[in-house]
Amino acid sequence: AQSVTQLDSHVSVSEGTPVLLRCNYSSSYSPSLFWYVQHPNKGLQLLLKYTSAATLVKGINGFEAEFKKSETSFHLTKPSAHMSDAAEYFCVVSDREKTSYDKVIFGPGTSLSVIP
Amino acid sequence: EAQVTQNPRYLITVTGKKLTVTCSQNMNHEYMSWYRQDPGLGLRQIYYSMNVEVTDKGDVPEGYKVSRKEKRNFPLILESPSPNQTSLYFCASSTRGFGGNEQYFGPGTRLTVT
Repeated sequence: AQSVTQLDSHVSVSEGTPVLLRCNYSSSYSPSLFWYVQHPNKGLQLLLKYTSAATLVKGINGFEAEFKKSETSFHLTKPSAHMSDAAEYFCVVSDREKTSYDKVIFGPGTSLSVIP
Repeated sequence: EAQVTQNPRYLITVTGKKLTVTCSQNMNHEYMSWYRQDPGLGLRQIYYSMNVEVTDKGDVPEGYKVSRKEKRNFPLILESPSPNQTSLYFCASSTRGFGGNEQYFGPGTRLTVT
């Protein structure tokens, strides 16, 4: 069965310092993995996705994530935080438990605060 | 502009009064889905649809209905809302299956049931 764990419910960083948002997943098959961002009072926007190609995935706004199968992790990083990065971040796993449908599971979210 | 629209954005209602939240996408996507977002739980899928007239239950379908009569529209119906359905609701669409494909989300509908 699939599951997603986001290890920190809240992360606070200073502007200009690195960001690390941690995600671990459980999947019985070959998963697709995503990070979505939700700014206050907005819908969700895709940051990046992994679909069995390169294990280091680059996304928008300087974010990247590395798929580590041995550790079942897909941590999100950014070298230097910007004030506009303050938002809620969701790790998402999807794989094919049924032949015609890819089940999607969202993690509980990590709230990122950026301190000036 | 490619987008998913939801209406209404905010709704306050009373227990038992039927309501419908509309969702429409202009990207000709086959897959559409409804989620609810609750603090600490992330998004949980309510129903999804793989094409016109094809719908199926997600993880939390109790108390909800959907229909997919046209490709672009996927309304969410609460026949008899209860306070535990107070939540933030999102509609999403995708080109094909959700696996490996980006979902495009609407702006959300905040529902309060008193």
